Amino acid sequence: AQSVTQLGSHVSVSEGALVLLRCNYSSSVPPYLFWYVQYPNQGLQLLLKYTSAATLVKGINGFEAEFKKSETSFHLTKPSAHMSDAAEYFCAVSDNTGFQKLVFGTGTRLLVSP
Amino acid sequence: DSGVTQTPKHLITATGQRVTLRCSPRSGDLSVYWYQQSLDQGLQFLIQYYNGEERAKGNILERFSAQQFPDLHSELNLSSLELGDSALYFCASQGGGKGEQYFGPGTRLTVT
Repeated sequence: AQSVTQLGSHVSVSEGALVLLRCNYSSSVPPYLFWYVQYPNQGLQLLLKYTSAATLVKGINGFEAEFKKSETSFHLTKPSAHMSDAAEYFCAVSDNTGFQKLVFGTGTRLLVSP
Repeated sequence: DSGVTQTPKHLITATGQRVTLRCSPRSGDLSVYWYQQSLDQGLQFLIQYYNGEERAKGNILERFSAQQFPDLHSELNLSSLELGDSALYFCASQGGGKGEQYFGPGTRLTVT
């Protein structure tokens, strides 16, 4: 079975500050890992994915994440927060055998203050 | 815009009723997934179809059923609705085998 743990249901940062959203996964097989963002009253938008190529993955809107197998982590970072980054962020895992369901974490709401 | 469409956007209905949610995947995507998002359960996988065939089932109630048609659109049928079925229902489609799924805007179901 696979699972994802997102530490911190809410993270607050100031505009221009570093964003760090934590994700730890559990998987009995090599995983695919994803970060999705959800803006209010919208669907989920794929930010970035890890599919066993480079361990440092760059996504849209300046976000990146690093896959660390030894730490079973896939934390999401952005060097400088923007007001428009305020949203809910979900980490998800699937196994690497192709067409498989996503297992989501509980989400982290990012609040950005001016 | 993900290319996945869902109708309707909002649905308000009474307990005991039956509703149908519709999803059209991205052009060419063969696999469709249904997820439920609620405050207490978070995002939960319900069911997956691949090219018209049911592929996997998750935490889907017996009152719920789904199908995928030859044109690849999918429908999720929810019957004998209860207050606790109120949630956002998302459809996602997948084309390649690298795991990434593209989500529709969702249908917000309110059961009164």
